Amino acid sequence: DIQMTQSPSTLSASVGDRVTITCRASQSVSSWLAWYQQRPGKAPKLLIYKASTLGSGVPPRFSGSGSGTEFTLTISSLQPDDFATYYCQHYTTYWHTFGQGTKLEIK
Amino acid sequence: QITLKESGPTLVKPTQTLTVTCTFSGFSLSTSDVGVGWIRQSPGKALEWLAIIYWDDDKRYSPSLKTRLTITKDTSKNQVVLSVTNMDPVDTGTYYCAHRYGGDGYDYWGQGILVTVSS
Repeated sequence: DIQMTQSPSTLSASVGDRVTITCRASQSVSSWLAWYQQRPGKAPKLLIYKASTLGSGVPPRFSGSGSGTEFTLTISSLQPDDFATYYCQHYTTYWHTFGQGTKLEIK
Repeated sequence: QITLKESGPTLVKPTQTLTVTCTFSGFSLSTSDVGVGWIRQSPGKALEWLAIIYWDDDKRYSPSLKTRLTITKDTSKNQVVLSVTNMDPVDTGTYYCAHRYGGDGYDYWGQGILVTVSS
């Protein structure tokens, strides 16, 4: 099965910063890659699908890029609501594995 | 408006079978390209994908849990059921169901149900 590895595991940043989270797949997933945001005690929220398509109602400061085995999620200017945990997920035909998560903390 | 809600026992004993139900509205699981998946999260841990069932009754399972999982649907009741056999304390966590359409990710999620495995 395909393994998804995110880096870093924890990221400290300040409001207004530009941050990037990386997700690597153990084999090509083409562009079948999604990003989710999860706040404590809440269900995940879809941010990006097909590697770079913004989910419904998601602010444009979020962007995704990449294909094959390497992907990035970028937040252009951090807002207070953005401090949360972020997960990548591939969704090829057979399974839909998540990465281990990146916790974005306030510096 | 799409909504999903999980229901089932919040406490199960080791070796028992867990059966959780996802009841949804706002879409039909007989519509082409629609799927409903199950994802769980142990306390303080990452999301773990479990299974998905599609509109055409195609089913996919996590390779590591495949022998213990069964996913079914009742289109007339707008429900998807996940069974997990031989429950163990490590299976404790919040179980979510979520909607998927076409090549998109999981765009609508239930609130989750916390299941504790303990004797």
